[in-house]
Amino acid sequence: DVKVTQSSRYLVKRTGEKVFLECVQDMDHENMFWYRQDPGLGLRLIYFSYDVKMKEKGDIPEGYSVSREKKERFSLILESASTNQTSMYLCASSGRLAGDEQYFGPGTRLTVT
Amino acid sequence: AQSVTQLGSHVSVSEGALVLLRCNYSSSVPPYLFWYVQYPNQGLQLLLKYTSAATLVKGINGFEAEFKKSETSFHLTKPSAHMSDAAEYFCAEGFQKLVFGTGTRLLVSP
Repeated sequence: DVKVTQSSRYLVKRTGEKVFLECVQDMDHENMFWYRQDPGLGLRLIYFSYDVKMKEKGDIPEGYSVSREKKERFSLILESASTNQTSMYLCASSGRLAGDEQYFGPGTRLTVT
Repeated sequence: AQSVTQLGSHVSVSEGALVLLRCNYSSSVPPYLFWYVQYPNQGLQLLLKYTSAATLVKGINGFEAEFKKSETSFHLTKPSAHMSDAAEYFCAEGFQKLVFGTGTRLLVSP
């Protein structure tokens, strides 16, 4: 069974703090993704990684960065958290073939005060 | 740019009634199409996907979807709703990166 785990289910941070969200997958998947989920907006792609140390911006990368030093781990970094980054963050992974299913973690609900 | 449109942010049905959730995609080349379900406080899980092998795709929990190229649609149906089907449903299209619709929350009343 594919498992995607995220380091925290709930996180509360203050404006201006540096925030790290960690994601680990155990299926040796090449692709990993970070999404942001907001009511009425669905899922929006923040960043995509197709290999170790490789990354590609998604639709809303502003204010975020990512790190992928190992194949199984993909980190999302908020350099200076702001209140408009309060959201649900979902990590996913998939194989490299077109049409491969994405497997999702349980999500991290981040509140920035 | 690709886009996915889900008509209706909320759909309400009675238990035992037909479920119909609508999805229209924008790609001119038929992409891979997916339906995912999200239960409260959980991540998304795959219900079914279209890969061009067959236009009628059967998924888990009695759901199915039909690909109609002429209508650029991939609507999700279930003949008889169950209380446990109450969740949010997302349609998505793409090849490796996916574009998701805004979601439809299905409410099931007794």
